[in-house]
Amino acid sequence: EVQLVQSGAEVKKPGESLKISCKGSGYRFSSYWIGWVRQMPGKGLEWMGITYPSDSDTRYSPSFQGQVTISADKSISTAYLQWSSLKASDTAMYYCASSGPYCSGGVCFDYWGQGTLVTVSS
Amino acid sequence: QSALTQPASVSGSPGQSITISCTGTSSDVGSYNLVSWYQQHPGKAPKLMIYEGSKRPSGVSNRFSGSKSGNTASLTISGLQAEDEADYYCCSYAGSITVVFGGGTKLTVL
Repeated sequence: EVQLVQSGAEVKKPGESLKISCKGSGYRFSSYWIGWVRQMPGKGLEWMGITYPSDSDTRYSPSFQGQVTISADKSISTAYLQWSSLKASDTAMYYCASSGPYCSGGVCFDYWGQGTLVTVSS
Repeated sequence: QSALTQPASVSGSPGQSITISCTGTSSDVGSYNLVSWYQQHPGKAPKLMIYEGSKRPSGVSNRFSGSKSGNTASLTISGLQAEDEADYYCCSYAGSITVVFGGGTKLTVL
């Protein structure tokens, strides 16, 4: 069974750094693009970016370029999303999601994690 | 990259059919047959319902179907059931291994 298991909820202060994780299992993690999707409270889904664990090729939405860093460690089948300086506006649910047999090439997402709620408040 | 345009809400009675539109541009929906649709129930992660415009993953009911004309993609749900009540998002490939989501549509089953 394919699973993407994300790290737990975080409460941080503005200006702090953060790295959240997403561990894949049940499939060839390094062979499929894996990305991150933001959902702000009561709002829709926003595609943030995607990485290919096999060669670390990473693409970002223009809206998130320079604001976050997406990476993956294929040796432990884990993807990461990190911020160097959080803002209150980063408060949201963050989902990791992976391509798979249906969505090759990173064009959509077959599998989704359960979400990590990030709250940024002073 | 601008978000794809979806109606904020649609509704239908059990057994009826509804269609959700998703309008993009010639740079995304119009250029590729790579529109996907996701269903999201409250408090849950999204679920892939349609990929490559009209294909259904294994396990997704054949009551769900997708199509495209020009810069507009559509999701049709036939034989509406109570459990179909959810938010639905379209998503299109936009080139260079980037994608863009629609704003989402809330489906209410009356």
